[in-house]
Amino acid sequence: QSDLTQPPSASGFPGQSVTISCSGTYSDVGLYNSVSWYRQYPGKAPQVMIYEVTKRPSGVPDRFSASKSGSTAFLTVSGLQAEDEADYYCSSYGGDNIVIFGGGTKLTVL
Amino acid sequence: QLQLQESGPGLVKPSETLSLTCTVAGGSISSNVHYWGWIRQPPGKGLEWIGNIYYSGTAHYSPSLKSRLTISVDTSKNRFSLKLTSATATDTAVYFCARAGTSSNEPYDLWGRGHLVTVSS
Repeated sequence: QSDLTQPPSASGFPGQSVTISCSGTYSDVGLYNSVSWYRQYPGKAPQVMIYEVTKRPSGVPDRFSASKSGSTAFLTVSGLQAEDEADYYCSSYGGDNIVIFGGGTKLTVL
Repeated sequence: QLQLQESGPGLVKPSETLSLTCTVAGGSISSNVHYWGWIRQPPGKGLEWIGNIYYSGTAHYSPSLKSRLTISVDTSKNRFSLKLTSATATDTAVYFCARAGTSSNEPYDLWGRGHLVTVSS
């Protein structure tokens, strides 16, 4: 299984929307609705922001939304705020009880 | 409130075995049917899934690490552990333990703070 492909960086001004992509294959993102997105601040543990492609855990603002098309998943952050500046990682179930992570995207709020 | 805490040596010599333990506090590792996992992050790099284990002892491993990896659980001590043999510099990373849902395809919703392990002579 290969890592999921994410752009290394993304950016936007406060108030704008930014979308981060996560490309996999038919065997992982394309086949399973088990895509998650994690936010990680420097020196901290990741925090799940999205699970099962589109669902938000309790406490995650509705500014965070996600979708999937074919073998690519997307995370959209709307109404960008300074606190959204962080690294974002996608993950997917890869079958055979394995999990795959993306390489991560550094989101910068300009 | 459930908390996870990684522990173990911070420095491992090349070719030796990297061993870490994750202690679950504030709840029983076997009272809820969760998977418990290990994820690592080399300095300045992304997350890498290592593997996970069910409270019953059923474990699943990353194909790239499977030949060197053992994950075990000790329900009497409320902890689970990782052993990675023949360590090399590429195993240098922050190692996180985390809790997943009731099946192997569910997200990790609770994480430890992470433990830096350096492989160096």
